[in-house]
Amino acid sequence: AQSVTQPDIHITVSEGASLELRCNYSYGATPYLFWYVQSPGQGLQLLLKYFSGDTLVQGIKGFEAEFKRSQSSFNLRKPSVHWSDAAEYFCAVAGYNNNDMRFGAGTRLTVKP
Amino acid sequence: KAGVTQTPRYLIKTRGQQVTLSCSPISGHRSVSWYQQTPGQGLQFLFEYFSETQRNKGNFPGRFSGRQFSNSRSEMNVSTLELGDSALYLCASSLGGTGGNEQFFGPGTRLTVL
Repeated sequence: AQSVTQPDIHITVSEGASLELRCNYSYGATPYLFWYVQSPGQGLQLLLKYFSGDTLVQGIKGFEAEFKRSQSSFNLRKPSVHWSDAAEYFCAVAGYNNNDMRFGAGTRLTVKP
Repeated sequence: KAGVTQTPRYLIKTRGQQVTLSCSPISGHRSVSWYQQTPGQGLQFLFEYFSETQRNKGNFPGRFSGRQFSNSRSEMNVSTLELGDSALYLCASSLGGTGGNEQFFGPGTRLTVL
């Protein structure tokens, strides 16, 4: 079965600084990879997804992620963080033939003024 | 297009009771998945329904069950509630078919078991 590891439980960055959130996945075939964001008391919102093709994918709110098959990674990046980006971020993996999506434990992002 | 709706948003129950949560997917979506979110275990997959059939199931006890109706609306039931069932229950809908379909999440139902 697929699984996801997000090594960083909590990250603090200053507003305007760059951001990278790490995600490693385990899946036997080509995975579908996702990054979701969750604000307090809210559901999850999709930031971006990777299915195939270009390994650098662009998402909403200025986020991007790079798929690296050799490292089984799908790290999320943003060049300049805004205070409104403070939230919890989840990486997820799904297989082709099922909707059994597996999430990482999440990374909570704090943005310092 | 209206998003995924979940009712109720908040629920308080006592141990031993049972509870039913409801999820209305986005119009045209045939797949509904349920997740349990807790601080300790994170987001865990409960089950997925597609065209009224349970297609996938996570590793939860039989006290957790669900169903899907012909209009794709889904309900989740938890019987004999335990304190550890306190969680945010999220529902997500997608067009269905494959795992590549984007899942759209509802705001969740916050269940507290006393």
